[in-house]
Amino acid sequence: GESVGLHLPTLSVQEGDNSIINCAYSNSASDYFIWYKQESGKGPQFIIDIRSNMDKRQGQRVTVLLNKTVKHLSLQIAATQPGDSAVYFCAETIQGAQKLVFGQGTRLTINP
Amino acid sequence: DAGVTQSPTHLIKTRGQQVTLRCSPISGHKSVSWYQQVLGQGPQFIFQYYEKEERGRGNFPDRFSARQFPNYSSELNVNALLLGDSALYLCASSFLAGGINEQFFGPGTRLTVL
Repeated sequence: GESVGLHLPTLSVQEGDNSIINCAYSNSASDYFIWYKQESGKGPQFIIDIRSNMDKRQGQRVTVLLNKTVKHLSLQIAATQPGDSAVYFCAETIQGAQKLVFGQGTRLTINP
Repeated sequence: DAGVTQSPTHLIKTRGQQVTLRCSPISGHKSVSWYQQVLGQGPQFIFQYYEKEERGRGNFPDRFSARQFPNYSSELNVNALLLGDSALYLCASSFLAGGINEQFFGPGTRLTVL
């Protein structure tokens, strides 16, 4: 079946450093991608999205990069803060479809 | 403005029992989706409902069913519970059926099957 995978299950970074979380997707027909942040005891929280007609999109302290050639997605978090500690999921879908396909998740830990 | 709410927060059941989980979408949202999140994994799509009609179904057995009410709230029912049904059940709401980018998740219901 469809799946969205992540390269690393855990990532530990120093406070203030930049974080990069990677994701590989398998469905070449997917044309819309979302990064979610999930803190303990909470549901996934939308961070940033990108459509397949773009290769980069920036938000506040976050940047998503999309490489359709190798079906790779990344989330960059600048100047990582303790509040960024969470599990990050990438998700893919086809515009107008009813479902998101999530990856396994990467746990980001911030060291003081 | 209240976000997506789910009840109960936690639930413990035994194998073979039945469970009903409830979700209230954000005011004005007409679509509700249900996801199952097993510990250590990403959420998996179960159902989407829009205007009280099922619009999508994931790869789950018929033991799973859902419905949406005229006020757009939704219930997820699981019959004949198995140990493997233990998970966090997430509800997400959006204004439109295809409004993935507007999809907001609730805090989930933690179901434990003993």
